[in-house]
Amino acid sequence: AQSVTQLDSHVSVSEGTPVLLRCNYSSSYSPSLFWYVQHPNKGLQLLLKYTSAATLVKGINGFEAEFKKSETSFHLTKPSAHMSDAAEYFCVVSGFYNTDKLIFGTGTRLQVFP
Amino acid sequence: DTEVTQTPKHLVMGMTNKKSLKCEQHMGHRAMYWYKQKAKKPPELMFVYSYEKLSINESVPSRFSPECPNSSLLNLHLHALQPEDSALYLCASSQVGGSRGNEQFFGPGTRLTVL
Repeated sequence: AQSVTQLDSHVSVSEGTPVLLRCNYSSSYSPSLFWYVQHPNKGLQLLLKYTSAATLVKGINGFEAEFKKSETSFHLTKPSAHMSDAAEYFCVVSGFYNTDKLIFGTGTRLQVFP
Repeated sequence: DTEVTQTPKHLVMGMTNKKSLKCEQHMGHRAMYWYKQKAKKPPELMFVYSYEKLSINESVPSRFSPECPNSSLLNLHLHALQPEDSALYLCASSQVGGSRGNEQFFGPGTRLTVL
């Protein structure tokens, strides 16, 4: 069975400092992994995805993530936080037998202080 | 056009009402999805349509009835809902159902309140 674990339910940073949101996955096969962001009362927006190509994936708004098979991790980073980054972030793995099913982590709420 | 649109944005209904949620996409995607999201939780998959056929029903109560009239439209018909059904209902679409790495594009959601 596949699963994702987001290691922090809340992360707080100051504007201009780096962001690190941690995600570990469990999969018997090479997974497809995604990071989505959700601003309050909005839908989900794809930040980036990993599908077995380059292990360092660059996304929108300056975010990137590195797939580390040995550590079963897919952490999301950004060098410098902006106030507009405050939102809920979901790490997601695609089901292997049924790739229509996305398996969501429980989410990490990012707060950005001025 | 890379948008998934949903109407209405907000809906308040009584437990005896019948209402419908609508979702539309014009990206040529052949898979469409309904999710339910409660506050401070991740989305939960309800239904998947692939090539206009229902391919996944995640044991959703029959008071929720999905419909896919064509490849661009997805409806969710609501009848005799309970207050615990109050949630954000998200629609999504993806390029080809069943292929690895096909991200899902989400609409803004309908905020449903059942009184």
